[in-house]
Amino acid sequence: DTAVSQTPKYLVTQMGNDKSIKCEQNLGHDTMYWYKQDSKKFLKIMFSYNNKELIINETVPNRFSPKSPDKAHLNLHINSLELGDSAVYFCASSQGHLNTGELFFGEGSRLTVL
Amino acid sequence: AQSVTQPDIHITVSEGASLELRCNYSYGATPYLFWYVQSPGQGLQLLLKYFSGDTLVQGIKGFEAEFKRSQSSFNLRKPSVHWSDAAEYFCQGTNAGKSTFGDGTTLTVKP
Repeated sequence: DTAVSQTPKYLVTQMGNDKSIKCEQNLGHDTMYWYKQDSKKFLKIMFSYNNKELIINETVPNRFSPKSPDKAHLNLHINSLELGDSAVYFCASSQGHLNTGELFFGEGSRLTVL
Repeated sequence: AQSVTQPDIHITVSEGASLELRCNYSYGATPYLFWYVQSPGQGLQLLLKYFSGDTLVQGIKGFEAEFKRSQSSFNLRKPSVHWSDAAEYFCQGTNAGKSTFGDGTTLTVKP
């Protein structure tokens, strides 16, 4: 069983479209995250949720809207996609929020905006 | 500002040679420190972590890291590199609910 799974793995779309990436974890963790990895492989945290409550919201355009229906799921919706949104988006989870718990990552969703 | 720095963007070693990847941190207090590995097309996997106590930490896949407070470093080492170790390596620091990843070091392994 995959611990952190995200779908789709690949997403190719046109500028201006709206798309969603879904994430689910079966580890029983109470915290989930979205990270963005750009073409230079730099990792930046975008959002974190602890028990469905938004904890971290980094400087991310409001076109990005996370939604956590329950603590096992954290989805990312992106409106009006731009070329600069092309990246790999990683979902992660941990027990506790950014403390001693390691992060468990999904395999990533590669978004390409044309 | 809290930060983690990986000075080496790219390192190439021969298979069987030893490896050291550098990580320096800048925090007001000693952070929790982690090393992750990312194989091509994969997510990140934890290699090892340091919270407190013994400054030499053992991890998976034969990796170890040493915390040196005097040098604000947490360098990753492996005595003998295997071709399968070729990957991207990230150091992460966490303190007071804030987390920072270094920019990563790409490891290439020559036959």
